[in-house]
Amino acid sequence: DADVTQTPRNRITKTGKRIMLECSQTKGHDRMYWYRQDPGLGLRLIYYSFDVKDINKGEISDGYSVSRQAQAKFSLSLESAIPNQTALYFCATSGSSSGLVNNEQFFGPGTRLTVL
Amino acid sequence: AQSVTQLDSQVPVFEEAPVELRCNYSSSVSVYLFWYVQYPNQGLQLLLKYLSGSTLVKSINGFEAEFNKSQTSFHLRKPSVHISDTAEYFCAVSDYGDDKIIFGKGTRLHILP
Repeated sequence: DADVTQTPRNRITKTGKRIMLECSQTKGHDRMYWYRQDPGLGLRLIYYSFDVKDINKGEISDGYSVSRQAQAKFSLSLESAIPNQTALYFCATSGSSSGLVNNEQFFGPGTRLTVL
Repeated sequence: AQSVTQLDSQVPVFEEAPVELRCNYSSSVSVYLFWYVQYPNQGLQLLLKYLSGSTLVKSINGFEAEFNKSQTSFHLRKPSVHISDTAEYFCAVSDYGDDKIIFGKGTRLHILP
């Protein structure tokens, strides 16, 4: 079974709809991240969380919100989707190993979101 | 603020030829460096990383990268590419003590038969 899972894998929606993307992990990591990937732009950080009570904005948080329901779950919401939010969305996790924090991140398979 | 530059958006190379994918970062403070690979229709996977110690790091599938602090570079190389290396490669950097990593825009490697 995959360590980091994302649901749904694909979603087509209409402008103005509320959308939630979910991420779960079994790695026991405390840190979780949401990125979006656009062709030619690489990955851009939307939000990140270091534990259940810690949420931080990333580079492009406008138009998005997140919820850290548990250590293993981190969801991303688009309150009112717009076409320029069409992208590939990735969840990632990281955690310390033997006390060494090296920020290596482990990625989910991605969610392809299309907003019409 | 830290930034990462991947100079080539696409690199075509013939099968069995050598390849170099270039990566430069902006800050010369202590850093962690990564190369991630994204195969078609998949998520990102860690290819190799530099944390400390030897400046030359290697992956299990023949790639290697060398940390050059004076040139703030972490170029990725492979002496002989295979069709299965077709993918997009992302360089990433994290400042020591920072909580995030910054990704480059990616380099798409095309292997020509």
